[in-house]
Amino acid sequence: QQPVQSPQAVILREGEDAVINCSSSKALYSVHWYRQKHGEAPVFLMILLKGGEQKGHEKISASFNEKKQQSSLYLTASQLSYSGTYFCGTPTYYGNNRLAFGKGNQVVVIP
Amino acid sequence: ETGVTQSPTHLIKTRGQQVTLRCSSQSGHNTVSWYQQALGQGPQFIFQYYREEENGRGNFPPRFSGLQFPNYSSELNVNALELDDSALYLCASSPPGTSIYEQYFGPGTRLTVT
Repeated sequence: QQPVQSPQAVILREGEDAVINCSSSKALYSVHWYRQKHGEAPVFLMILLKGGEQKGHEKISASFNEKKQQSSLYLTASQLSYSGTYFCGTPTYYGNNRLAFGKGNQVVVIP
Repeated sequence: ETGVTQSPTHLIKTRGQQVTLRCSSQSGHNTVSWYQQALGQGPQFIFQYYREEENGRGNFPPRFSGLQFPNYSSELNVNALELDDSALYLCASSPPGTSIYEQYFGPGTRLTVT
């Protein structure tokens, strides 16, 4: 079952902050975040693991609330390069990386 | 650059035909996953291959099949194409080891079925 992402779209000015969310109706063991620019492949942002471990190499931060079965991505002091569609993916089964992706959050950062 | 390549970039086929899409993973990545991405949607998991064996399948009919080769390349085959098969097809490779690893996506093949 695919996770639900909200809001569907957000427009913000350079330097502003935004939060995008990913929630699931089933237990989450990890959440994977990717960003896709128009006409390009999804690019890995980070993985959030149960227990608090986080793997990523972007300035974008995220949280993972296991009890609420949701994750949030924080776009702080947004840059023009943050524009794109953000997808969260959740493993189809515990311990694998066969991901069910949400429909995405479209983010547009304007000057 | 993820080191994952796909061919062809674009493809137009007629309903009922068969198609083969190709992917070349990063060297050393022995896991490859295939996804279908319809316009305006997130990628949908088709199947995954690990060490040349199918290692999990999504909700896709048997006319979607795949192969993985020892040289880290793989194929997605689709028989009896339908109009709804029109989409961007992405392959993604993962490093060996634990299953909680990031995936490196290729640029995709845009398939149009007329």
